[in-house]
Amino acid sequence: DTGVSQDPRHKITKRGQNVTFRCDPISEHNRLYWYRQTLGQGPEFLTYFQNEAQLEKSRLLSDRFSAERPKGSFSTLEIQRTEQGDSAMYLCASTRTSGKSETQYFGPGTRLLVL
Amino acid sequence: AQSVAQPEDQVNVAEGNPLTVKCTYSVSGNPYLFWYVQYPNRGLQFLLKYITGDNLVKGSYGFEAEFNKSQTSFHLKKPSALVSDSALYFCAVRDESNYQLIWGAGTKLIIKP
Repeated sequence: DTGVSQDPRHKITKRGQNVTFRCDPISEHNRLYWYRQTLGQGPEFLTYFQNEAQLEKSRLLSDRFSAERPKGSFSTLEIQRTEQGDSAMYLCASTRTSGKSETQYFGPGTRLLVL
Repeated sequence: AQSVAQPEDQVNVAEGNPLTVKCTYSVSGNPYLFWYVQYPNRGLQFLLKYITGDNLVKGSYGFEAEFNKSQTSFHLKKPSALVSDSALYFCAVRDESNYQLIWGAGTKLIIKP
């Protein structure tokens, strides 16, 4: 257990529904990352925050994806109007800023299945 | 452009034998290299990283990795494999210009008793 938690661990939804995932980072970590991982692939970067500021969001897969970190602690990732292609594992990672050598610590992930 | 290659989809090793999981990379500047392990239905666990200094890096669970700049490689090694080492292993790299990690596709390591 890395100390990063994600909720829910599993989500089954119907196409067209909205879903929201939550990530709680390690408490002293000020940087938070979201990734998507599909079967047989490495994680794919989506977005990241430093404190409450979203510093990179151009890699979000479409405008249906959005993320927030309103108080610089937990973060949410929302997918609107889900599609079957959104089925994947969504991973969150956190780190304490220490330059480029920082190590990201991952949560257990949320596995999404869109029917 | 940055990239990471893990040329083997799967590596099979007998318990007690040494293991190597290969990783090669391409970055424009100095690389920062990482290895993570993923067990079924679990998140990624950090094993080790190379930032600078000694080319041989030691990490968790008896794993080590050797940075080779001329071959742009960062192979993961362990002298004696355990059945419990069976998992999916990912290599990742970032360069000096950004914080985004670029990941390999992963290598499935199977240790047979």
